[in-house]
Amino acid sequence: GDSVTQMEGPVTLSEEAFLTINCTYTATGYPSLFWYVQYPGEGLQLLLKATKADDKGSNKGFEATYRKETTSFHLEKGSVQVSDSAVYFCALSATGGYQKVTFGTGTKLQVIP
Amino acid sequence: KAGVTQTPRYLIKTRGQQVTLSCSPISGHRSVSWYQQTPGQGLQFLFEYFSETQRNKGNFPGRFSGRQFSNSRSEMNVSTLELGDSALYLCASSMTSDGEKLFFGSGTQLSVL
Repeated sequence: GDSVTQMEGPVTLSEEAFLTINCTYTATGYPSLFWYVQYPGEGLQLLLKATKADDKGSNKGFEATYRKETTSFHLEKGSVQVSDSAVYFCALSATGGYQKVTFGTGTKLQVIP
Repeated sequence: KAGVTQTPRYLIKTRGQQVTLSCSPISGHRSVSWYQQTPGQGLQFLFEYFSETQRNKGNFPGRFSGRQFSNSRSEMNVSTLELGDSALYLCASSMTSDGEKLFFGSGTQLSVL
């Protein structure tokens, strides 16, 4: 079945540091890929997405590129802020028209001033 | 536009009881999905409804059930509660049925004592 593997957390960075959170996936066909973010006490929010190979999703300074050859969708940000502290989830939605999104286990990011 | 609303926000039950959680999707959204979130397992897909029909179901026992009404509001029910059912239950809605952007509610935190 479909699966998403993302790096274990927590990740602790100083403000303005470079961020990478690794994500790889297993799926049949050509899934859509997503990064969601969850702030404390809230539900998940879509951060960015990519729907086909070599697409780059970007939002709020975060970027991720859909790499079919390595089945990866790593999240990056050049300079993190304290307000970026949250849990980040990599996810995929398999082709087929039905709404079933498979999530990774989440990576907690803590940014310290 | 109002977001996805889940009620109640917190719930405490004892083993053996049953519980019903409610989700009101964003107006115009016809797809509603449910997820169970726990620290150890991350987000696990429960089921998805579209136009009152369950189209997809995750690997949960039959004690977990749901339904969707004609106004797209959804409920999920858990019978004969077990300690392991303690979790944050998240509801998500989307306009389309093809696995694109999900909008999440803040969740119902269920504690089973």
